[in-house]
Amino acid sequence: AQSVSQHNHHVILSEAASLELGCNYSYGGTVNLFWYVQYPGQHLQLLLKYFSGDPLVKGIKGFEAEFIKSKFSFNLRKPSVQWSDTAEYFCAVTSDTGRRALTFGSGTRLQVQP
Amino acid sequence: NAGVTQTPKFRVLKTGQSMTLLCAQDMNHEYMYWYRQDPGMGLRLIHYSVGEGTTAKGEVPDGYNVSRLKKQNFLLGLESAAPSQTSVYFCASSYLLTYNEQFFGPGTRLTVL
Repeated sequence: AQSVSQHNHHVILSEAASLELGCNYSYGGTVNLFWYVQYPGQHLQLLLKYFSGDPLVKGIKGFEAEFIKSKFSFNLRKPSVQWSDTAEYFCAVTSDTGRRALTFGSGTRLQVQP
Repeated sequence: NAGVTQTPKFRVLKTGQSMTLLCAQDMNHEYMYWYRQDPGMGLRLIHYSVGEGTTAKGEVPDGYNVSRLKKQNFLLGLESAAPSQTSVYFCASSYLLTYNEQFFGPGTRLTVL
């Protein structure tokens, strides 16, 4: 069974600081990888996704993530965070076969201080 | 398009009561899912459906039942609610051929006393 680990549970940054959130997955086959964001009181929104091709993917709001197959990682990055990036971030993985449901990590709560 | 909608938004139940959560999508998606979100645990899959009239169990199906009589609707039922089912429930849907990108509803916050 596939699993996802997010080791940073709570991150506090000042505005303009750089961000990197870790995500590691365990699955031996072909995977599709996602980062979702949940702003306070809102539902999940897709930030970015990786299916194939260029391992560096760019998403909305200046976020990007790099897929490193050898490390089973898909870390999320942003060069300069803003107060409006305060939210919870979820890494998720799914395979191309079977039920296609997402397996989520436990989430990272990002707090950006002005 | 409304996307994925869920009703109700909030609900408080007493232990042993039953209720049904409704999820509707207007994107003609084949796949639909019910997740629950608990603090520190991310989202966990309860049940899912790969098409009208079909349902299957996810990671945490106990205490829940589902039905998908129409392609656009996916119902989640609690026959006898327990405090352990206090959670936020999210419905999602996806189109078969878009590499599993899922679209989420706004959630239902359920409290079982």
